[in-house]
Amino acid sequence: DTEVTQTPKHLVMGMTNKKSLKCEQHMGHRAMYWYKQKAKKPPELMFVYSYEKLSINESVPSRFSPECPNSSLLNLHLHALQPEDSALYLCASSQDDRGKTQYFGPGTRLLVL
Amino acid sequence: ILNVEQSPQSLHVQEGDSTNFTCSFPSSNFYALHWYRWETAKSPEALFVMTLNGDEKKKGRISATLNTKEGYSYLYIKGSQPEDSATYLCAFMDASGGSNYKLTFGKGTLLTVNP
Repeated sequence: DTEVTQTPKHLVMGMTNKKSLKCEQHMGHRAMYWYKQKAKKPPELMFVYSYEKLSINESVPSRFSPECPNSSLLNLHLHALQPEDSALYLCASSQDDRGKTQYFGPGTRLLVL
Repeated sequence: ILNVEQSPQSLHVQEGDSTNFTCSFPSSNFYALHWYRWETAKSPEALFVMTLNGDEKKKGRISATLNTKEGYSYLYIKGSQPEDSATYLCAFMDASGGSNYKLTFGKGTLLTVNP
C-alpha cells in the first residue's frame, strides 16, 4: 500500500471556525509533512514530523497547529484562518526525513470565507 | 531563499513527439533532486530521486539526467502520449540545515500532449 489519504477533499470554513485536516499512511513511514500550495505557485513546506516529533516549523502562523498522534496519522488543526489561507494543503510521508522519496496525498482544497 | 527554476512554464506537443524540460537549482550544498509528475485532481507521483552528479535514471519512456556542478537536471519524455499530460515538478533538497532535509519545489512545467 503506497497510498497517502487525506480527508476531507474539500473544506469551506468561516474565519471563526475550527476545523481539522487529516492525513493517514500505512507504509511504516516515520516522517510526515504538511505543504501548502497556492494557485500557480509551487508547494511550500509548512511542517515536518520525524518519529512523531515536530522537527521543522517553517515559521507558520499559530492559527495552524499540527499534531501527530501516532506514526500513521497527521492532523492539521485550523483556527481563526484568514481568506489568504485558502489553498491546497498537501500531506506527504517518507521512510525517514533524510532525503527519501516523499509520497503525497491528493490534498485538501480549503476555502476560507 | 533557494531558487529552483523550471522551464518552460508550459509546453504543448503532439502525440508521438519527444520533449524535454529543464530544472535549475543551486549548485552548492546539493543533497538530492526529486522529480514528480502531477496530474490534475490526483496526488503528485514520485518519478526519480537523483543524488549523484552524472546520474541518469529511466522509467519507461521518461528519463532524467543530473548535473550538480552546474546545477541543472533535464527530464526527457520519448514518444509523448496524451496520458503524459501533467505538471512535472522538480524539487531541490539541500543539506545545509543540519538534519533538516527540506524540499524546495520549482513552479513546474505543464505538459499537454495533443492526440
